[in-house]
Amino acid sequence: EDKVVQSPLSLVVHEGDTVTLNCSYEVTNFRSLLWYKQEKKAPTFLFMLTSSGIEKKSGRLSSILDKKELFSILNITATQTGDSAIYLCAEAGGTSYGKLTFGQGTILTVHP
Amino acid sequence: SQTIHQWPATLVQPVGSPLSLECTVEGTSNPNLYWYRQAAGRGLQLLFYSVGIGQISSEVPQNLSASRPQDRQFILSSKKLLLSDSGFYLCAWSADEPLHFGNGTRLTVT
Repeated sequence: EDKVVQSPLSLVVHEGDTVTLNCSYEVTNFRSLLWYKQEKKAPTFLFMLTSSGIEKKSGRLSSILDKKELFSILNITATQTGDSAIYLCAEAGGTSYGKLTFGQGTILTVHP
Repeated sequence: SQTIHQWPATLVQPVGSPLSLECTVEGTSNPNLYWYRQAAGRGLQLLFYSVGIGQISSEVPQNLSASRPQDRQFILSSKKLLLSDSGFYLCAWSADEPLHFGNGTRLTVT
């Protein structure tokens, strides 16, 4: 059975801090690893990673995948209160980008 | 551009009552459609997916069922709700790209 584990489960920081969120996975047919941000309702897509060692970057957020060690990290630099959210890691196995196995999520709280 | 609509946003239902949640997608044809459930603000669990009209696959045994009567319509149903059916239900679509989610329905079974 595919499994995705995120750590930490929750994190409280102050504005300006840098955070690293972790995601490890055990899957039989790896296709890609995805990161989503969920504030109040719909999770919004952040990154999709398919190749090892290639960093994806968007503003203050970046992510990288290690297919040998089966993990990914999401970095957020110079955090802002608007970064407060649940960050979800998911693995897309098999032939579909829609059949995702999600981790438990990391609840990030950024205080002013 | 593609949009996904899901309603209602919140729902409080007594145990034993029926359920019908609806989801529609606009701006795309023949999307793959999905129902996910999120318990206690945590990870999402895939419940059902559909690759076409009338084609439903169930991922976990449960008290729920799904139907796809039209290409861009996906419905989640139950004949008799259980307390354990409470949660946040998210509809999503994909067309060979990462999932796009609707805004969800928060269901409380009392």
